[in-house]
Amino acid sequence: NAGVTQTPKFRVLKTGQSMTLLCAQDMNHEYMYWYRQDPGMGLRLIHYSVGEGTTAKGEVPDGYNVSRLKKQNFLLGLESAAPSQTSVYFCASSYSGGGSKNIQYFGAGTRLSVL
Amino acid sequence: AQKVTQAQTEISVVEKEDVTLDCVYETRDTTYYLFWYKQPPSGELVFLIRRNSFDEQNEISGRYSWNFQKSTSSFNFTITASQVVDSAVYFCALKRNDMRFGAGTRLTVKP
Repeated sequence: NAGVTQTPKFRVLKTGQSMTLLCAQDMNHEYMYWYRQDPGMGLRLIHYSVGEGTTAKGEVPDGYNVSRLKKQNFLLGLESAAPSQTSVYFCASSYSGGGSKNIQYFGAGTRLSVL
Repeated sequence: AQKVTQAQTEISVVEKEDVTLDCVYETRDTTYYLFWYKQPPSGELVFLIRRNSFDEQNEISGRYSWNFQKSTSSFNFTITASQVVDSAVYFCALKRNDMRFGAGTRLTVKP
């Protein structure tokens, strides 16, 4: 059981370049999330999705776009990368609802550097 | 607004010492969930515990224990008889609609 898989694991971009991060989960979770982790700031939510074809903004959405065309995949796009987007990006997924179903399971992260 | 504060940025202990990681949260909601995650040096985030706002029972799991007190808006995490493998960054998080994380506490356990 792979859980949550993120690709790529590392990436270096030049300012202005674009890229897409892929997140795939095999747990049939309805909800998926993208976070960024910066030193001293914990994780901050960028965008999330509560189901196929739906997305919503989180705490720090500017400069990012997302798409959820398939239930198992959640894509994070940077159209024009900036040095401020240098960070570690984490994808997570969970079931909908309360109880033990709202535990978020995380991927291994993608380390992105924008020069 | 939701906010999580982990005032301890870094803690260093010697193996076998007990250590408590503090977590204080702010929310106006009456229904919410609290979490602890562990991030070892390898970088992944590992789920440790979830607690809902109506369940103030303390929990013990092996060397780990959690103290949830709504009166002080705290959800503290204690490791008993710490081990080198406990060295990691620990995050406390609060969830109502979205998840808000604290800044994390880096725990170093020295042999």
